[in-house]
Amino acid sequence: SYVLTQPPSVSVAPGKTARITCGGNNIGSKSVHWYQQKPGQAPVLVIYYDSDRPSGIPERFSGSNSGNTATLTISRVEAGDEADYYCQVWDSSSDHQGVFGGGTKLTVL
Amino acid sequence: QVQLQESGPGLVKPSETLSLTCTVSGGSISSYYWSWIRQPPGKGLEWIGYIYYSGSTNYNPSLKSRVTISVDTSKNQFSLKLSSVTAADTAVYYCARVEYYYDSSGYRTYYFDYWGQGTLVTVSS
Repeated sequence: SYVLTQPPSVSVAPGKTARITCGGNNIGSKSVHWYQQKPGQAPVLVIYYDSDRPSGIPERFSGSNSGNTATLTISRVEAGDEADYYCQVWDSSSDHQGVFGGGTKLTVL
Repeated sequence: QVQLQESGPGLVKPSETLSLTCTVSGGSISSYYWSWIRQPPGKGLEWIGYIYYSGSTNYNPSLKSRVTISVDTSKNQFSLKLSSVTAADTAVYYCARVEYYYDSSGYRTYYFDYWGQGTLVTVSS
């Protein structure tokens, strides 16, 4: 089955830019979706179709996807952005299943 | 605004069947796919399966032999049954609405746009 690899943690100072990667074999040929999960809460969709933002998600959140790496970029990071972030793809091979990355803990210093 | 709410026992004995229901409000269950996703304590997310409002299903191959997802459109609900549970099935279980579209390769790709708050199910005797 398809495997997504995320760094366990990323740290960034307030006001700076955070980049969270999601690696997978030729992931650029798939659509990647990103979720934010704060402690004790359900995940929230922040990016879908590589780079589209649902309504209500700040423009500071953006996404890109090429080659073997997809990236979630958070500009002008705020304390409230501290959370776990998960990437997700749909594996349309014979398994036809949803696949999540292992998650990245974003710490705002 | 669509809202989802999970309900069911918070404690299940080993070897028994875990049963949860998700109630959808603020919108119809029709014309959408609906999914179950779980998260063991301190760990990541795992997709369990989905159901279309018409009843067609698709399950995670690793759980397929033990999972059944059903839908009751008259009640705007869908349900999860997971049989022969062990401690490894202890997790927060989320229900979610599924959106899909056709990507540039012509394949359907699915994502989860609305989630329930989640319910913790512990497997223990």
